[in-house]
Amino acid sequence: EVLLVESGGGLVQPGGSLRLSCAASGFTFSDHYMDWVRQAPGKGLEWIGRTKNKGNSHVTQYAASVKGRFTSSRDDSKNSLYLQMNSLRTEDTAVYYCARDTDAALDYWGQGTLVTVSS
Amino acid sequence: QSALTQPPSASGSPGQSVTISCTGTSSDVGGYDYVSWYQQHPGKAPRLMIYEVSKRPSGVPDRFSGSKSGNTASLTVSGLQAEDEADYYCSSYAGDNNYVFGTGTKVSVL
Repeated sequence: EVLLVESGGGLVQPGGSLRLSCAASGFTFSDHYMDWVRQAPGKGLEWIGRTKNKGNSHVTQYAASVKGRFTSSRDDSKNSLYLQMNSLRTEDTAVYYCARDTDAALDYWGQGTLVTVSS
Repeated sequence: QSALTQPPSASGSPGQSVTISCTGTSSDVGGYDYVSWYQQHPGKAPRLMIYEVSKRPSGVPDRFSGSKSGNTASLTVSGLQAEDEADYYCSSYAGDNNYVFGTGTKVSVL
């Protein structure tokens, strides 16, 4: 069974940093691209980034809204994906999901972790 | 990258069909056959319902179908059931390794 479990969310002040983790199991993690998607309270889904697999040099891409502030990385030996979030803004408040990317579709999602940016 | 445009709401009675549109541009929906649809119940993670415009993942009922014409993709839910009441989001590859979601549609089963 494919399972994705995010952790690391919480309350942080504007300008602060937070690191999210996504633990994967039930599939060959190293083979897959992995994505991050967020959802602000009461709002729609927003794609924020993608980390390719080892065969594609773990290249990452980001949405313009987080580029330069967020960094996605992965440790295939630990079946884990990470999102380092710096210079956080109030508008970054959202539930953050990690998702498995298969041929440009997100076929498995974690349960999400809530990040609240507030003073 | 602007969000794809979806109607805010759609509804139908049990057993009826409902179709949701997803309008983009030639740089996303119209340019690639990488359109996906996701179902999200309140408080839950999204679930993939359709990928590559019209393909259904294992376990998704065949009541769900997808299509595309030009810059507009569509999701049709036939034989509406109470459990189909949810938010639905389209998504498309948008070139240069970017993706974009739709604005979301709330489907109500009357």
